[in-house]
Amino acid sequence: DSGVTQTPKHLITATGQRVTLRCSPRSGDLSVYWYQQSLDQGLQFLIQYYNGEERAKGNILERFSAQQFPDLHSELNLSSLELGDSALYFCASSALGETQYFGPGTRLLVL
Amino acid sequence: GDSVTQMEGPVTLSEEAFLTINCTYTATGYPSLFWYVQYPGEGLQLLLKATKADDKGSNKGFEATYRKETTSFHLEKGSVQVSDSAVYFCALSPGNNDMRFGAGTRLTVKP
Repeated sequence: DSGVTQTPKHLITATGQRVTLRCSPRSGDLSVYWYQQSLDQGLQFLIQYYNGEERAKGNILERFSAQQFPDLHSELNLSSLELGDSALYFCASSALGETQYFGPGTRLLVL
Repeated sequence: GDSVTQMEGPVTLSEEAFLTINCTYTATGYPSLFWYVQYPGEGLQLLLKATKADDKGSNKGFEATYRKETTSFHLEKGSVQVSDSAVYFCALSPGNNDMRFGAGTRLTVKP
């Protein structure tokens, strides 16, 4: 158990809909990262937050957004969903060091 | 930019065989190097890491040595078990909590 929690574990929705994925980092970790893992594109970095502020942006679509709240939990919002957004979404957290600790993921299926 | 390249899978071995998964990196500075493992249905777990040249990371019988002269961080295990079946990711961090992952190598160990 990494100490990073993610909810929900599974999500099934329809095209055009909007969903919110939630992540609670390990106690004391200020950085949160979001990744998308799909079969054809591997593990893609989406975005990083550090203590409430956006720190780095990767291959995140404009339809996607994220935020980190004062209690350090983070949410990833996915809107106008398309079939191709079906994937595993992972959250990771880290402290001052470089090691990232991953949550169990949210499996999103867009029908 | 900084990146890692790891051998394509899948890799299939018999129990007790020797394992090598190749990973090479490209970096302008002196990154830290990591191996993560993803068991079926789970998130990524840190397997081992090395932070400077000639360091050897080890865990659960797996080893990898940071070789600056060959820009490599190959993962090895002397005798694999069925329970080692998973996807293995090589990664580097150039600093600032940034992490670059390889495409992953799927390992299947048959009894």
